[in-house]
Amino acid sequence: GQNIDQPTEMTATEGAIVQINCTYQTSGFNGLFWYQQHAGEAPTFLSYNVLDGLEEKGRFSSFLSRSKGYSYLLLKELQMKDSASYLCAVRDNGNKLVFGAGTILRVKS
Amino acid sequence: GAVVSQHPSWVICKSGTSVKIECRSLDFQATTMFWYRQFPKQSLMLMATSNEGSKATYEQGVEKDKFLINHASLTLSTLTVTSAHPEDSSFYICSASGRSDTQYFGPGTRLTVL
Repeated sequence: GQNIDQPTEMTATEGAIVQINCTYQTSGFNGLFWYQQHAGEAPTFLSYNVLDGLEEKGRFSSFLSRSKGYSYLLLKELQMKDSASYLCAVRDNGNKLVFGAGTILRVKS
Repeated sequence: GAVVSQHPSWVICKSGTSVKIECRSLDFQATTMFWYRQFPKQSLMLMATSNEGSKATYEQGVEKDKFLINHASLTLSTLTVTSAHPEDSSFYICSASGRSDTQYFGPGTRLTVL
């Protein structure tokens, strides 16, 4: 079966660093994606990992360990506009994305 | 970057009517388009996958006769919700992928069935 777990909610302070974890058990693996979704809007692509290691893109970094079925999204220098839902999604061998339930991040001043 | 549009952005209809939602890739050719549904405070659930010129592949539990999908060109796919009922009220999101296989999402269509 397909199972993707991420925390339901997290709260962090403006300017801080936050790490959102994702663990997965899927029948196939062809990459892991992180998306940001603001309420009532469609998801926006943030990052993609297919090999183990860290991918850095500005204030956002994403890490993958395929042997552990584990990824995290790291957000640095948090801003109020980063308050959103963050979705972890695994692409299976057939190019379909399986989404986790999402982590709601609240940034407080 | 890749841009995907959807139309309409929201629609309200009476129970029993049909609603068509369009999904367009504006600056790339989408060999594959995906249709998702998202209920409040839940994640995206894949409904179907469509490749240009061929029949859509539906996920388990999704009625193909109720949710008609057409992918007639490399830039346009349509989802028609036939005989809509209040339980079909949801946020419908399409995504498109081309050569890179990365899925780019449209802005979504909020359907409310009265």
